[in-house]
Amino acid sequence: EAQVTQNPRYLITVTGKKLTVTCSQNMNHEYMSWYRQDPGLGLRQIYYSMNVEVTDKGDVPEGYKVSRKEKRNFPLILESPSPNQTSLYFCASRKGRQTNEKLFFGSGTQLSVL
Amino acid sequence: AQKITQTQPGMFVQEKEAVTLDCTYDTSDPSYGLFWYKQPSSGEMIFLIYQGSYDQQNATEGRYSLNFQKARKSANLVISASQLGDSAMYFCAMRFDRGSTLGRLYFGRGTQLTVWP
Repeated sequence: EAQVTQNPRYLITVTGKKLTVTCSQNMNHEYMSWYRQDPGLGLRQIYYSMNVEVTDKGDVPEGYKVSRKEKRNFPLILESPSPNQTSLYFCASRKGRQTNEKLFFGSGTQLSVL
Repeated sequence: AQKITQTQPGMFVQEKEAVTLDCTYDTSDPSYGLFWYKQPSSGEMIFLIYQGSYDQQNATEGRYSLNFQKARKSANLVISASQLGDSAMYFCAMRFDRGSTLGRLYFGRGTQLTVWP
């Protein structure tokens, strides 16, 4: 089954404890992206990647890191999480560069930083 | 700067009635795509419908249709014959063909739709 897999689904952590949210897609998609969703703000892009070893900042990249060493994986790293990073996170992917290509989303990761 | 606006934080509709969810956008780029996604209470993001800026006809997908008015820069989602399962958050999103924002998808803040019996 074609899908984007994020783990974990729920995560509670404490301020300053490094964490990684994993994302993997099995559709051979070139493009992958991370979003965070906050009430009243919609989805805001954190980072995106057009292909392996190519990553770019989105609208809210501060406090996050990503890497794209393999085509299928795009982990989101929080080196020193803070309470303002408490949010619902989505990983998404699409095939390539055509405007009409829809994004496939993971199931989301609800992160709480205490 | 590109911008997507959804002016209705919440909408209510009775079952079997039609409802229109508003979406306006601001861009000077002539080439772009517009998407609508549904997010039920379970949290997943479900793609509903797509409209390209050069498409001659309004997009339709089953009970979903897009009222695309390019001159007004609006792309309203119309849901016909609402069902209880349509209760969800709906997001409008926009993507551009070129420039520094190539490939990025910008989302509106969403409209929470509630369908009542």
